[in-house]
Amino acid sequence: RKEVEQDPGPFNVPEGATVAFNCTYSNSASQSFFWYRQDCRKEPKLLMSVYSSGNEDGRFTAQLNRASQYISLLIRDSKLSDSATYLCVVRAGTSYDKVIFGPGTSLSVIP
Amino acid sequence: DTAVSQTPKYLVTQMGNDKSIKCEQNLGHDTMYWYKQDSKKFLKIMFSYNNKELIINETVPNRFSPKSPDKAHLNLHINSLELGDSAVYFCASSHRGTPEQYFGPGTRLTVT
Repeated sequence: RKEVEQDPGPFNVPEGATVAFNCTYSNSASQSFFWYRQDCRKEPKLLMSVYSSGNEDGRFTAQLNRASQYISLLIRDSKLSDSATYLCVVRAGTSYDKVIFGPGTSLSVIP
Repeated sequence: DTAVSQTPKYLVTQMGNDKSIKCEQNLGHDTMYWYKQDSKKFLKIMFSYNNKELIINETVPNRFSPKSPDKAHLNLHINSLELGDSAVYFCASSHRGTPEQYFGPGTRLTVT
């Protein structure tokens, strides 16, 4: 089993739609969780951290379920500019320095 | 102001050649990384340095040799390039203990 798994998509959604991405991780000792965004032919950039109690940043909501080793990202009212690949990222075990990137989920928001 | 910069942005070379990619960060971070993103877009860590000391060395052929002259720079030298080395190489940096990483724009390496 891969350390971090995501549905690769692509997800093609109309503007204004709500879309949810899922991610599972295999290391139960993982400590920190993040969503990064990567635009086509660009570098990854941090979108948001994922906290145990769940957290929201504008139209984006991230949730963590430690028991199921599952992370989600919900995007409400999708914009054309949300089109990108969303990478689930997990800090491996107790290492402060190694993070594991998932393979990414591709999102295309269509006019 | 560029936070993490890499040179060159594009690199096309023939099999068997030796090439280097340079990375510099002006964020004052103490930890730097090299990642490889292959054609399937999977981003994999290769190396990590903290204050010029190697702390992560994943299963990477020894043709790849990182060098950190100071904590603001982490260069990657690749010997005897192979077709399978074609990928985008990203440099990143962070403060140790804070997992958020800042990435450079990437170097697209094509080996022919």
